[in-house]
Amino acid sequence: QTVVTQEPSLTVSPGGTVTLTCASSTGAVTGDNHPNWFQRKPGQAPRALIYSTNNKHPWTPARFSGSLLGVKAALTLSGVQPEDEAEYYCLLYFGGLYVFGTGTEVTVL
Amino acid sequence: QVQFQVSGPGLVKPSGTLSLTCAVSGGSITTTNWWTWVRQVPGKGLEWIGEIHHSGNANYNPSLKSRVTISVDKSKNQFSLKLNSVIAADTAMYYCARIYCNNTACHTIDYWGQGTLVTVSS
Repeated sequence: QTVVTQEPSLTVSPGGTVTLTCASSTGAVTGDNHPNWFQRKPGQAPRALIYSTNNKHPWTPARFSGSLLGVKAALTLSGVQPEDEAEYYCLLYFGGLYVFGTGTEVTVL
Repeated sequence: QVQFQVSGPGLVKPSGTLSLTCAVSGGSITTTNWWTWVRQVPGKGLEWIGEIHHSGNANYNPSLKSRVTISVDKSKNQFSLKLNSVIAADTAMYYCARIYCNNTACHTIDYWGQGTLVTVSS
């Protein structure tokens, strides 16, 4: 069974920068896994932020960016705002199977 | 903009069948896109359940495959989820959503429904 692992929690100061990562138990994450990133706030549906590694949706704030960092996918938040406090999930594609990451809780403090 | 309306019981008895339907508005279900169900057990992470194309082709999470069926009704522009032999651990918020695909690949789950809470309890 494929497991996708993220940092359980990260804390960042307002205006700061934080990078979240997404690792696969099957090996290196590549563009073929079409890494996606989602933000989820309490009581709300997940909101798509990044798709296919580094592409933004029309509604994605400019301070969010995606990349591949070594063998992992990464989401970087630059100039963090208080409203960025949320859970973040990555999603990887494995040929007919999607697997969500374990999620990262980001605290803005 | 694509929107979703989920219908189905919010309470299901153990060993029963969870049935949810997701009506799609703002776009046709008969496009290159796929349609998916995702759930979140309280206090846990997101779990992909499965996906379906309007052709009827479907893929499922191996951990749920023996109990899950996702179907599509093109005439009503909707798709449905059935989960058999439910247990308390199937209590979750269930989301329906669109997987955006073009002619070459599927890229993202872009539009999500608000989610519906289904509780498994006697």
